[in-house]
Amino acid sequence: KQEVTQIPAALSVPEGENLVLNCSFTDSAIYNLQWFRQDPGKGLTSLLLIQSSQREQTSGRLNASLDKSSGRSTLYIAASQPGDSATYLCAVRPTYSGGGADGLTFGKGTHLIIQP
Amino acid sequence: EPEVTQTPSHQVTQMGQEVILRCVPISNHLYFYWYRQILGQKVEFLVSFYNNEISEKSEIFDDQFSVERPDGSNFTLKIRSTKLEDSAMYFCASSRSPLTYEQYFGPGTRLTVT
Repeated sequence: KQEVTQIPAALSVPEGENLVLNCSFTDSAIYNLQWFRQDPGKGLTSLLLIQSSQREQTSGRLNASLDKSSGRSTLYIAASQPGDSATYLCAVRPTYSGGGADGLTFGKGTHLIIQP
Repeated sequence: EPEVTQTPSHQVTQMGQEVILRCVPISNHLYFYWYRQILGQKVEFLVSFYNNEISEKSEIFDDQFSVERPDGSNFTLKIRSTKLEDSAMYFCASSRSPLTYEQYFGPGTRLTVT
């Protein structure tokens, strides 16, 4: 069964710093990996989708990398701002079918606070 | 920008009652999903729906749950006899294709069972 782990669980940094959030998954048989942002009491906002054949994706100040063979992904946030404060979730879509494989398997997230 | 919408935003119900959570997926999407997030826990997949039938379901999605697409725009999750442990945030999501496109999530319905 796929397990997704995110470290650290919480991170607090001063505004302007570059930072890296980590995600690891136990089964490398994935179609894609998606990073989300979740604000308190709100829904999930999709940030980046990386296909299994890709190594990285970029959107603005965000860069996500994927090393499928080692079961790792990182989300790099450049020049952090207070508005980046949120919980960041990593989720994978497995390649197997059956047993709920259509759905994403989520990590518990990294709670990020950017201090002004 | 198109978005997934959900109603109500918050539903309070008594144990044993039936609830229906409603979602309007993005209009050109073909795959629809329900997830739940119990407070402080991971987001968990419940069910996927494609071509007017359930595509996949998790072990959480037992006989008390059902889904329906009653018309061309709405997608509903029904919980027949709610239990205290059903209290959670329920998210609807949609996608053009689960293999190559992102899943877009709605804002969620917070279900409180008393």
